[in-house]
Amino acid sequence: DMKVTQMPRYLIKRMGENVLLECGQDMSHETMYWYRQDPGLGLQLIYISYDVDSNSEGDIPKGYRVSRKKREHFSLILDSAKTNQTSVYFCASSRDWGPYEQYFGPGTRLTVL
Amino acid sequence: GEKVEQHESTLSVREGDSAVINCTYTDTASSYFPWYKQEAGKSLHFVIDIRSNVDRKQSQRLIVLLDKKAKRFSLHITATQPEDSAIYFCAASKGNNRIFFGDGTQLVVKP
Repeated sequence: DMKVTQMPRYLIKRMGENVLLECGQDMSHETMYWYRQDPGLGLQLIYISYDVDSNSEGDIPKGYRVSRKKREHFSLILDSAKTNQTSVYFCASSRDWGPYEQYFGPGTRLTVL
Repeated sequence: GEKVEQHESTLSVREGDSAVINCTYTDTASSYFPWYKQEAGKSLHFVIDIRSNVDRKQSQRLIVLLDKKAKRFSLHITATQPEDSAIYFCAASKGNNRIFFGDGTQLVVKP
């Protein structure tokens, strides 16, 4: 069953707290992505990972970092979260040597107070 | 980098009519153009794509047209149904794993 999972689905944090968003996929896809979606702005790429420990910045990496120690897991970390990081975060995966369709997770709605 | 623009932010059609969503891109090297659908409160899922070696692709009620000269592509949804109501995102890629999304078009299909 081709699936991308995200945990947690909803999260409320205070400004300055650390945030960990987790993503998993069961398709052995080499490439994984983190996006954020804000109203009217479509999807903005934060980071792309081409495989374990092979990560590249996307368009808006400032304030974020990622970790990929296993092919099936990709984490997004916000060190000292800011209120402007309130958003919906989507993880996605795709086959390598693309481009191919991306499979999206259900999203995490993060609120930073 | 690539910039993808969706010309319609909202589109309203009557059930049974056709809907057309238009997108333009800036990078002539782009060669892959997928479309994604996002229903209210849900995630995105892939609906159809087209590669630059063809100028038309159809999958059931969905038709994608590509005009490389004008750097324009479009999604046509024929015989629209209420379940077609969603936000549709067009995107473009140069052939690597990086794709660039438009800002989305909200399609409303009225009964």
